[in-house]
Amino acid sequence: QVLLVQSGAEVKRPGASVTVSCQTSGYAFTGYYIHWVRQAPGQRLEWMGWINPNTGGTNYAQKFQGGVTMTTDTSIGTAYLELNRLISDDTAVYYCARDKGCASCNYATLDEWGQGTLVTVSS
Amino acid sequence: DIQMTQSPSSLSASVGDRVTITCRASQTINTYLNWYQQKPREAPKLLIYGATSLQSGVPSRFSGSGSGTEFTLTISSLQPEDFATYYCQQTYSLPPTFGHGTKVEVK
Repeated sequence: QVLLVQSGAEVKRPGASVTVSCQTSGYAFTGYYIHWVRQAPGQRLEWMGWINPNTGGTNYAQKFQGGVTMTTDTSIGTAYLELNRLISDDTAVYYCARDKGCASCNYATLDEWGQGTLVTVSS
Repeated sequence: DIQMTQSPSSLSASVGDRVTITCRASQTINTYLNWYQQKPREAPKLLIYGATSLQSGVPSRFSGSGSGTEFTLTISSLQPEDFATYYCQQTYSLPPTFGHGTKVEVK
């Protein structure tokens, strides 16, 4: 059974940083890209970027370049999302998700998801 | 970025109804179109990928069609567990973008 289990909710002050973890199990961690997607209250899903756990290579959405860092620890099958210089607009649920990796899908067809981590930015 | 527009934004339906949701892309995306279902306080769930392929484990009452710029998600006979919000997503070009969602509510 494929599982992605994320860390718990966080409350941060503006300007702070936060790291969200995504612990995976049930599949070969280095065989599938991990994506991060966020959903602000009442808003549509927003793709933030991906990381290739096999190489450590990343691709961030332009909007998030300079403000996020995605990493992995292959020894424990865990992905991390670090958010820097938080502002109130960063208040959202952050999801990690596995790329399905099918030939006809292109990137970011997301077949397994974590449960989400609520990050609240408030003074 | 490619803009994805869904219609309607919400709809009311009864169990057993046939439901159709439309998604339009601001430019051609071939068949790089996915559909997700999201229930309150849950993560999205992949239903359809590549515009027409049913994800493993998803009931056959869900189907997708379309290519180019116009796509459709159909639920042939709405079940109680299908009341949720549905999102389309294009994966033709980066960044992958989602529609604003269609909420299917109880009539």
